[in-house]
Amino acid sequence: AQTVTQSQPEMSVQEAETVTLSCTYDTSESDYYLFWYKQPPSRQMILVIRQEAYKQQNATENRFSVNFQKAAKSFSLKISDSQLGDAAMYFCAYRSRTSGNTGKLIFGQGTTLQVKP
Amino acid sequence: GAVVSQHPSWVICKSGTSVKIECRSLDFQATTMFWYRQFPKQSLMLMATSNEGSKATYEQGVEKDKFLINHASLTLSTLTVTSAHPEDSSFYICSARDFGTTGLGQYFGPGTRLTVT
Repeated sequence: AQTVTQSQPEMSVQEAETVTLSCTYDTSESDYYLFWYKQPPSRQMILVIRQEAYKQQNATENRFSVNFQKAAKSFSLKISDSQLGDAAMYFCAYRSRTSGNTGKLIFGQGTTLQVKP
Repeated sequence: GAVVSQHPSWVICKSGTSVKIECRSLDFQATTMFWYRQFPKQSLMLMATSNEGSKATYEQGVEKDKFLINHASLTLSTLTVTSAHPEDSSFYICSARDFGTTGLGQYFGPGTRLTVT
């Protein structure tokens, strides 16, 4: 069974600074997707960024980028130029790509990010 | 963008009664929907996978007779908490998978807060 681990329950960053959130996962599969979701106080889940395991290039979405290390099974999220609106709980998630898979997401424990003005 | 709605957003019910939560995909067809439960400051726990026209697949440890899931159409899935008790109080989130695009899209509803008194 696949597992996702986020070892940082809480992180804080100064506004305009850069912060990296860690995520490791365990799987015996070679083909899968990885995601970072943001859950602000409204509790609406928002997709931040996604990575296909077969792609070596790290995904980037504006101020958000990932460091995907497939061999190490590591998938960290870097937030550059942090903004007050980035304050939220962040979840790392895994999704299998094997045929017959329903597409369910396996979530890590979450990291609460505080942004200080 | 794809939108998933949930109704109600907040419900209070008395112990022993049943409550139904609706999850709708507003602008796409969702053959698969997922139901999650989330306690404060914790991760999302997958309860079940709901497929249109067939029985839901429940995760281990989830009581299928207590949490009844019906996915009667391509845009609607319902979760009924039967004989609710205070320990069922939680935040329930649904998500819907959009097969109309790349299949990667999974969109979350805004959640339903259930309080059982």
